[in-house]
Amino acid sequence: QKEVEQDPGPLSVPEGAIVSLNCTYSNSAFQYFMWYRQYSRKGPELLMYTYSSGNKEDGRFTAQVDKSSKYISLFIRDSQPSDSATYLCAMRDSGGSNYKLTFGKGTLLTVNP
Amino acid sequence: ETGVTQTPRHLVMGMTNKKSLKCEQHLGHNAMYWYKQSAKKPLELMFVYNFKEQTENNSVPSRFSPECPNSSHLFLHLHTLQPEDSALYLCASSQERLAGGELFFGEGSRLTVL
Repeated sequence: QKEVEQDPGPLSVPEGAIVSLNCTYSNSAFQYFMWYRQYSRKGPELLMYTYSSGNKEDGRFTAQVDKSSKYISLFIRDSQPSDSATYLCAMRDSGGSNYKLTFGKGTLLTVNP
Repeated sequence: ETGVTQTPRHLVMGMTNKKSLKCEQHLGHNAMYWYKQSAKKPLELMFVYNFKEQTENNSVPSRFSPECPNSSHLFLHLHTLQPEDSALYLCASSQERLAGGELFFGEGSRLTVL
């Protein structure tokens, strides 16, 4: 079983839809959970960061972590064409440094006007 | 210049060529990384430098040779590459020892090996 599983998509939704992106993981030691967004021909940029379980909201974006199920989600409300990008989940344990980040494959999202 | 800058953005090389990728960060970070990004695969960590010292070599073939002359510059020297080495090579930096310290990525160097 891979450490982090993420459906690569592609996922295509109409503008205004609620988007749900997910990752599952197997390592129960993971404590830091991140979502990176990568536009075409660009490098990834950090979108959301969560420590341990719970929810975190930032504007139209909500990150959820369910450690009991080893499942993390990113919700995008009122999706916009500018949200079209690849979304990468990443995670690490509390003892590790940033180079211990384990990434998912990324999900390619297209929001159609 | 701000952030993390990578050059060249695109590179085509034959299997017998020698070339180098360059990365420069203007963020004052102490850690720099090389990642490989291939289609339908997770980001693969290749090398990590912390305060100019290599702290991680993720079983990368010797045809990839990193160099970190100072904490702002990172190079990846390439020689006798294989077609399967064609990928996007991303440089990143971070400030270690900060909880959750974010990775800042460059735009990448798209490498094609013929």
